[in-house]
Amino acid sequence: DQQVKQNSPSLSVQEGRISILNCDYTNSMFDYFLWYKKYPAEGPTFLISISSIKDKNEDGRFTVFLNKSAKHLSLHIVPSQPGDSAVYFCAGGGGGTSYGKLTFGQGTILTVHP
Amino acid sequence: DTEVTQTPKHLVMGMTNKKSLKCEQHMGHRAMYWYKQKAKKPPELMFVYSYEKLSINESVPSRFSPECPNSSLLNLHLHALQPEDSALYLCASSPPGGYSPLHFGNGTRLTVT
Repeated sequence: DQQVKQNSPSLSVQEGRISILNCDYTNSMFDYFLWYKKYPAEGPTFLISISSIKDKNEDGRFTVFLNKSAKHLSLHIVPSQPGDSAVYFCAGGGGGTSYGKLTFGQGTILTVHP
Repeated sequence: DTEVTQTPKHLVMGMTNKKSLKCEQHMGHRAMYWYKQKAKKPPELMFVYSYEKLSINESVPSRFSPECPNSSLLNLHLHALQPEDSALYLCASSPPGGYSPLHFGNGTRLTVT
């Protein structure tokens, strides 16, 4: 049972344009969501998060949108830069007894072309 | 530079060997984690320690044995592994409670021959 899905294995974008990465989830118990970026041979690096009580969170070039009714979230990167090329994972987490357990999506490979 | 340090970076071991993976953080975090990532798959949780006590074990086989000697250190002891255990093993830490993000190390690439 894949609780977090990233249906696009890859995305290619021109430098300066917007990158939109999508994520769907099935577990309505998730009460926060995170996006991580991962370069080869490195661990995931935290980018941005959003609580389930919000529908938008912004940090510089990165904005995460949450649509609870659709169980969908997206990460917008504007403007995209070649250094953003990496694998992006979305993850869902829940508090209480499941605190600290993040369930990751399969990842989307973003390539930003100069 | 990552604030969570994992050693070794690479490890090759036979199925009869005993080895240990080490993780260290000095951010004052009181929750530490082991995740496993197979090629082209997402990271999957193995263990969670909170205040040096094991709080989550995701039904991991006993050939993996975690240990948290103190709030800064986390070990994963390996014994009698199988080739299918070959993976990237990621350590992470976070402040306990709330929705703080996990800080990951760069991982140990384990190959079981």
